[in-house]
Amino acid sequence: KAGVTQTPRYLIKTRGQQVTLSCSPISGHRSVSWYQQTPGQGLQFLFEYFSETQRNKGNFPGRFSGRQFSNSRSEMNVSTLELGDSALYLCASSLGGQGEKLFFGSGTQLSVL
Amino acid sequence: GIQVEQSPPDLILQEGANSTLRCNFSDSVNNLQWFHQNPWGQLINLFYIPSGTKQNGRLSATTVATERYSLLYISSSQTTDSGVYFCAVGTNAGKSTFGDGTTLTVKP
Repeated sequence: KAGVTQTPRYLIKTRGQQVTLSCSPISGHRSVSWYQQTPGQGLQFLFEYFSETQRNKGNFPGRFSGRQFSNSRSEMNVSTLELGDSALYLCASSLGGQGEKLFFGSGTQLSVL
Repeated sequence: GIQVEQSPPDLILQEGANSTLRCNFSDSVNNLQWFHQNPWGQLINLFYIPSGTKQNGRLSATTVATERYSLLYISSSQTTDSGVYFCAVGTNAGKSTFGDGTTLTVKP
């Protein structure tokens, strides 16, 4: 089985722009969750989608949004980028039941200049 | 929200040594996972262990849910074991809270 695929691997944007990141989960997995990793804040939960519905949300501003498609692929969008949004964005997939094993992609490294 | 504390924050070992990493959490959880993050940023799931003991080669893990802690044991460490080890706990479906990690350096 193919693993979790995240694209692109690297992104460079300027302040004020918006960005869209993509995540394809493992085949058969219905849950996709997103995490932001920074040196100062560590790994922080953004949101989780299951069957095209947002099931859980972390404490991030409304500039951070996501969606999930019928094939379980997910995208996250960050609008009006700020310097502090520079981070490694990680996507994880799981089967979707209560508290299941997470499998992570390689991440998208976003740099905001 | 739930607090997750990992110790030690940094650990330096000689190749062949054994080590124990600890994860304490502040509330009841329904799942606990250990991850290894390699130098390229990839998070590898080592164990899914809400309770009990599991072993996988040179690695083993024990979670004592009633006392709210988990331990990760690494025996006969190798340079490829270097990286950051994270503990993550979950209380709701789909959301996990990560500790700050233990950075392990194994010297040849």
